[in-house]
Amino acid sequence: AQTVTQSQPEMSVQEAETVTLSCTYDTSESDYYLFWYKQPPSRQMILVIRQEAYKQQNATENRFSVNFQKAAKSFSLKISDSQLGDAAMYFCAYYGGGADGLTFGKGTHLIIQP
Amino acid sequence: DSGVTQTPKHLITATGQRVTLRCSPRSGDLSVYWYQQSLDQGLQFLIQYYNGEERAKGNILERFSAQQFPDLHSELNLSSLELGDSALYFCASNRQGAYLTQYFGPGTRLTVL
Repeated sequence: AQTVTQSQPEMSVQEAETVTLSCTYDTSESDYYLFWYKQPPSRQMILVIRQEAYKQQNATENRFSVNFQKAAKSFSLKISDSQLGDAAMYFCAYYGGGADGLTFGKGTHLIIQP
Repeated sequence: DSGVTQTPKHLITATGQRVTLRCSPRSGDLSVYWYQQSLDQGLQFLIQYYNGEERAKGNILERFSAQQFPDLHSELNLSSLELGDSALYFCASNRQGAYLTQYFGPGTRLTVL
């Protein structure tokens, strides 16, 4: 079974600084998708960014980018120019397709210091 | 707003009771996924339906069941409720069964007293 590990239960960063959230996963599949979802205090699950395993280029969405290391099974999220609205729980998720849903990590609570 | 709707937003009930949670997917989405988020277990996949048919099962208890109707809305039925079933239940949808991003609804907060 696939597992997703987020080793940082909580991270804190100053507003306007850069922060990196870590995620590792375990799978025997060669084709899969990885996601970062954000869950603010409203509890809504919001897609931040996604990465297809077959793509070597790291995904980028505005201030959010990933460092995808397939061989190391690592998928970190970098947030540049952190803003107060970035404060939330961030979940890393894996999807291998087939008969399954998303497998989530336990999340990282991101605090933005003004 | 993801375009996925869930009702009700909050539900408070007693142990032993049965409840039904409803989800309407985004327009055009054929797949519906149900997830449970609790303090103990984190976010867990429960079950997936695709165009009315069950497609995948995750950690869904036998006391729980789901279905997807011809208009593509889905219902999650929880019966013989226990205190430990208190959680946030999410529905997500996407265009086809595999490999595409799942968009989440706002969730239903279930409290079992």
